[in-house]
Amino acid sequence: AQTVTQSQPEMSVQEAETVTLSCTYDTSESDYYLFWYKQPPSRQMILVIRQEAYKQQNATENRFSVNFQKAAKSFSLKISDSQLGDAAMYFCAYRSPAGGTASKLTFGTGTRLQVTL
Amino acid sequence: SQTIHQWPATLVQPVGSPLSLECTVEGTSNPNLYWYRQAAGRGLQLLFYSVGIGQISSEVPQNLSASRPQDRQFILSSKKLLLSDSGFYLCAWSPDYSNQPQHFGDGTRLSIL
Repeated sequence: AQTVTQSQPEMSVQEAETVTLSCTYDTSESDYYLFWYKQPPSRQMILVIRQEAYKQQNATENRFSVNFQKAAKSFSLKISDSQLGDAAMYFCAYRSPAGGTASKLTFGTGTRLQVTL
Repeated sequence: SQTIHQWPATLVQPVGSPLSLECTVEGTSNPNLYWYRQAAGRGLQLLFYSVGIGQISSEVPQNLSASRPQDRQFILSSKKLLLSDSGFYLCAWSPDYSNQPQHFGDGTRLSIL
């Protein structure tokens, strides 16, 4: 079974600075999908960014980018030019490539990001 | 575009009472549907998922059950709530092809007294 580990329960960053959230995972599969979700105080789960394991190029969405290291099974999220609205819980998630019953997400325990002035 | 609706947003129930949380998806057909629970300050635990009408898979043994009476409707139920059922419940959907992410509803905050 796959596992996802987020070793940083809390992180803090100053506004306009850059922060990196760590995520590692364990799998025996060679093809899979990885996601970062954001959960603000409103508790909505919002997709931030996704990465296909077969793609070597790191995904980027505006101020959000990932550092995907497949051999190390590492999938960190970098937030540039941090804004107050980035304050939230961030969850890393893994998804198997198979469809149907295997298309479940395995979540890490989350990292709470604080953004200070 | 696809949307997911989940209700109620908050619910306070006494121990031993029944539960029914509803989730519907619009703008798509034959979605995969999921129920998650999130305890305070914790990650998400998958409770149930469904790949079609009447097809329910349970991830963990518990006091809850799920049903899918229609293609885009997913219901989470309990006959008798326990204190340990308190938490934040999230419904999610995704297309059956796995390169697409799951999309979540706004959640239900359930408090058991």
